[in-house]
Amino acid sequence: QQQVKQSPQSLIVQKGGIPIINCAYENTAFDYFPWYQQFPGKGPALLIAIRPDVSEKKEGRFTISFNKSAKQFSLHIMDSQPGDSATYFCAAATSGTYKYIFGTGTRLKVLA
Amino acid sequence: DGGITQSPKYLFRKEGQNVTLSCEQNLNHDAMYWYRQDPGQGLRLIYYSQIVNDFQKGDIAEGYSVSREKKESFPLTVTSAQKNPTAFYLCASSLGTVLDEKLFFGSGTQLSVL
Repeated sequence: QQQVKQSPQSLIVQKGGIPIINCAYENTAFDYFPWYQQFPGKGPALLIAIRPDVSEKKEGRFTISFNKSAKQFSLHIMDSQPGDSATYFCAAATSGTYKYIFGTGTRLKVLA
Repeated sequence: DGGITQSPKYLFRKEGQNVTLSCEQNLNHDAMYWYRQDPGQGLRLIYYSQIVNDFQKGDIAEGYSVSREKKESFPLTVTSAQKNPTAFYLCASSLGTVLDEKLFFGSGTQLSVL
């Protein structure tokens, strides 16, 4: 119940394409869902996050879609660029706690 | 510049040896964390500390130990009891609990076994 399942494991798109990464969770106590971006040899950095009281959140070219009833959330990258090539992790957490549960990561490659 | 500094960037461990990974932050954050990253397995929590002189085990604490004597520092010791220590280790910090408080990560330490 503590797991966050992330798919796909890897993804290749052409420049300008819209890669979509999906995550699913079971624990209904989760109420904070961040996405982190990690470049090789670096630590992850927060990209965008959502709470379950909204169904969508946009920040620049990055959009999170959230489906509370299905317990799923997705990251969409609009007009993807080669510089977006990185590993993306979804996560879930419960307010008032310190534990984040991370997905297994998606390695994205955007071809020029 | 505020941030988290992890050292060394690369570390090699001999059989039966304990090694210590350093993590220092100047963000004035109360909470600090250690994660282990293995290919295809995401980030798994080893230990976390909410406040100085206090820490809790995460999901994979066996074979590891930590201390939190200063707010700025949270070193991780990989003991000889950890039989599969080869991984990328990430230290992180946050201002407090999960309340739109993001995790700030260091650049990691790659530990390998000789």
